[in-house]
Amino acid sequence: EVQLVESGGGVVRPGGSLRLSCAASGFTFEHYPMSWVRQSPGNGLEWVSGISGNGGSRTYGDSVRGRFIISRDNAKNSQYLQMNSLRPEDTALYYCVRVIIGSLWDFDYWGQGALVTVSS
Amino acid sequence: HSALTQPASVSGSPGQSITISCTGNTNDMHSFAYVSWYQQHPGKAPTLVIFDVNNRPSGVSSRFSGSKSGNTASLTISGLQAEDEADYFCSSYAARDTRVFGTGTQVFVL
Repeated sequence: EVQLVESGGGVVRPGGSLRLSCAASGFTFEHYPMSWVRQSPGNGLEWVSGISGNGGSRTYGDSVRGRFIISRDNAKNSQYLQMNSLRPEDTALYYCVRVIIGSLWDFDYWGQGALVTVSS
Repeated sequence: HSALTQPASVSGSPGQSITISCTGNTNDMHSFAYVSWYQQHPGKAPTLVIFDVNNRPSGVSSRFSGSKSGNTASLTISGLQAEDEADYFCSSYAARDTRVFGTGTQVFVL
């Protein structure tokens, strides 16, 4: 069974940093691109970032480019999102998602999410 | 802010068909060739119901279908059922190898 479990969420002040982790199981992790998608309270979805299976290619949404860094450790079946220079508008539930192989960032499995709150 | 616009809500009676639109700039969205649709029930993570405009993942009901015309993509739910009441989000592959979501549509089954 595919499982994605996020951790590392919490409350942080504007300008601060936070690192999210996602532990994957139930599939051959290194074969799959991965991504992060966020959803602000009561609002819609926003694609944040994506990374290729070997970690060699990374891409970011306009609102986080230059502030967030996506990475992965295939030996640990994990991906990460380093979030720097956080803003109140980054407050959201952050989902770890598995990308469908061969797709252009379509997602077939989602974690339950990690809540990030940016507030003074 | 999102680059894809959807109606805030759509409603229909059981057994009816409804269509949700998704509008954006096709120049930025690869002519809508890679539009997907996600269903999200309250408190749950989204699930993929349509990819690449009109393809259904395994296990998704044939009552869900997708199409596109010009700068508008559409999701049609036929034979509306109570379990279809949820939020629906369109999504398109976009410039700089990114993906953009729509504003979301609440579907109500009357």
